Amino acid sequence: QSALTQPASVSGSPGQSITISCTGTSSDVGGYNYVSWYQQHPGKAPKLMIYEVSNRPSGVSNRFSGSKSGNTASLTISGLQAEDEADYYCSSYTSSPLVFGTGTKVTVL
Amino acid sequence: QVHLVQSGAEVKKPGASVKLSCEASGYTFTTYYMHWVRQAPGQGLEWMGIMYLGDGSTIYAQKFQGRVTMTRDTSTSTVYMDLSSLISEDTAVYYCVRDGGSGGLDYWGQGTLVTVSS
Repeated sequence: QSALTQPASVSGSPGQSITISCTGTSSDVGGYNYVSWYQQHPGKAPKLMIYEVSNRPSGVSNRFSGSKSGNTASLTISGLQAEDEADYYCSSYTSSPLVFGTGTKVTVL
Repeated sequence: QVHLVQSGAEVKKPGASVKLSCEASGYTFTTYYMHWVRQAPGQGLEWMGIMYLGDGSTIYAQKFQGRVTMTRDTSTSTVYMDLSSLISEDTAVYYCVRDGGSGGLDYWGQGTLVTVSS
């Protein structure tokens, strides 16, 4: 099972919106509505930000939103803040049954 | 609240095995799935396998089949992950992670660093 493809880096200024893509195939992202997104700050364990494509766990800011179209899922961060600078990973159920994305480093300029 | 507390750091020689533990609390242990995920230094997340804590059934990533064994002790709400035939590329932080349902990994252990070095 190959990792899902994410851009290596995305950057934005405070207050802007950015979008991170997560591209898979019809066997993973496109075949299931079970895409999740995780935020990881340096030296910390990842934190669940989005599950089932677009649902936010309790306590996660509504500045984070998820969507999916075909084999590509997306995470949008609105009103970018300094604390959003971190690594972000997507994951999807597959027949394997789970695969992660390659990860994206978000930089707040 | 939910807590996953993992065992301490390990240093192993190539060819050895390591057994990590993960003690869960704050929820009904047997009604959830548990994953193991690892992260090599400076690298991304890598899924290793999943166990249904109700009956102990497991699915392992193809890459680790034959080298990984996941078990659990329901009396202590503890999950174990045994990785054998270690090589330097197995140097990583290993996380146990609860599956909250639908693939959302909602609670993560603090991670255990395993260093494989001669």
